[in-house]
Amino acid sequence: AQTVTQSQPEMSVQEAETVTLSCTYDTSENNYYLFWYKQPPSRQMILVIRQEAYKQQNATENRFSVNFQKAAKSFSLKISDSQLGDTAMYFCAFMKHSNYQLIWGAGTKLIIKP
Amino acid sequence: DSGVTQTPKHLITATGQRVTLRCSPRSGDLSVYWYQQSLDQGLQFLIQYYNGEERAKGNILERFSAQQFPDLHSELNLSSLELGDSALYFCASSVGQLTDTQYFGPGTRLTVL
Repeated sequence: AQTVTQSQPEMSVQEAETVTLSCTYDTSENNYYLFWYKQPPSRQMILVIRQEAYKQQNATENRFSVNFQKAAKSFSLKISDSQLGDTAMYFCAFMKHSNYQLIWGAGTKLIIKP
Repeated sequence: DSGVTQTPKHLITATGQRVTLRCSPRSGDLSVYWYQQSLDQGLQFLIQYYNGEERAKGNILERFSAQQFPDLHSELNLSSLELGDSALYFCASSVGQLTDTQYFGPGTRLTVL
């Protein structure tokens, strides 16, 4: 069975700093997808970034980028120039190619301080 | 705004009761997924429908059932409710039935007293 581990329950940084959230996963699959979702206090679940395992290039979306290390089964999220609006729970999620369900990590609570 | 709508936003009910949660997917999306987010168990996949047919089942209790209608909206029915069913229930949708990105609705917060 696949598992997703987020080892940092909570992190806080100053506004404009760079922060990296960690995620590791366990799978025997070769084809899969990884996601980072953000859940602000409004509780809405918002897609931040997506990575296909067959792609070696790390995904980027504006200030958000990932460091995908397939051999190490690691998928960290880097947020550059952090903003107050980045304050949220961040969830790492895994989906194998032949299945449609997202397997979730426990989440990291990120607090951006002014 | 993801384009996925869920009603109601909040629901308060008593143990033993039955409730129905409703989800309308984004325009053009054929797949609907249901997830439960609770304090003790985190986020869990419940069930997926594609174009009216059940395609995948996760940790869904027998007391829970779902369906997707011809207009593609979906309903999650929860019966014989227990205190432990209190949670945030999310609906998500995607274009197809493969590994498309899932877009989430705002959720329905269910409180069972």
